[in-house]
Amino acid sequence: DIQMTQSPSSLSASVGDRVTITCRASQTISSYLNWYQQKTGKAPKLLIYVASRLRSGVPSRFSGSGSGTDFTLTISSLQPEDFATYYCQESYSTPWTFGQGTKVELK
Amino acid sequence: EVQLVESGGGLVHPGGSLRLSCAASGFTFSHYWMHWVRQAPGKGLVWVSRLNSDGSNTDYADSVKGRFTISRDNAQNTLYLQMNSLRAEDTGLYYCAREGDDSTGYYDAFDYWGQGTLVTVSS
Repeated sequence: DIQMTQSPSSLSASVGDRVTITCRASQTISSYLNWYQQKTGKAPKLLIYVASRLRSGVPSRFSGSGSGTDFTLTISSLQPEDFATYYCQESYSTPWTFGQGTKVELK
Repeated sequence: EVQLVESGGGLVHPGGSLRLSCAASGFTFSHYWMHWVRQAPGKGLVWVSRLNSDGSNTDYADSVKGRFTISRDNAQNTLYLQMNSLRAEDTGLYYCAREGDDSTGYYDAFDYWGQGTLVTVSS
């Protein structure tokens, strides 16, 4: 099975900050990498798919990059509604695996 | 509007069984591959199973293989997860999720999720 490792596990940031979350796969997964946002008590929400495609309706401050084994989610200017937990997920081969999550908290 | 509504969760003893349902609406259900994903309390997301659009091809996580069965009724727009021989470690919120599509076609990510149904395995 492919292992997905996110870093950091948590971070503290202020409104307006640029935030970067990384995700590393244990083997190459081409661009089969997705990012989700989950707020407390809610279902996850898809932000980015195929590494860099922004899902329709998601604000453009979210962006994704990378291929192979190393990927990045960037929030260009953190907004109050962005405080949440973020997960990467590979869809290269089943079992599709998720990273452990990155909790973005208010500094 | 796409909607996925899970039901069937509850409290069950170890070794017991439950059948989860996911009622889909707002899209042509029979065209989409569907998945189950679970989340233990306070923990991360774990993929459980997937089923292709016509119900002929399944995949399972090793942790549930041989105990869980995914199925669908395209006439009733419903996805199922039959869970047998339940263990304490199966406790969690179970989400059904749809594989996505955009203007270029289908893609391997979950674009819509239900609200989840809680399964608690405890004596």
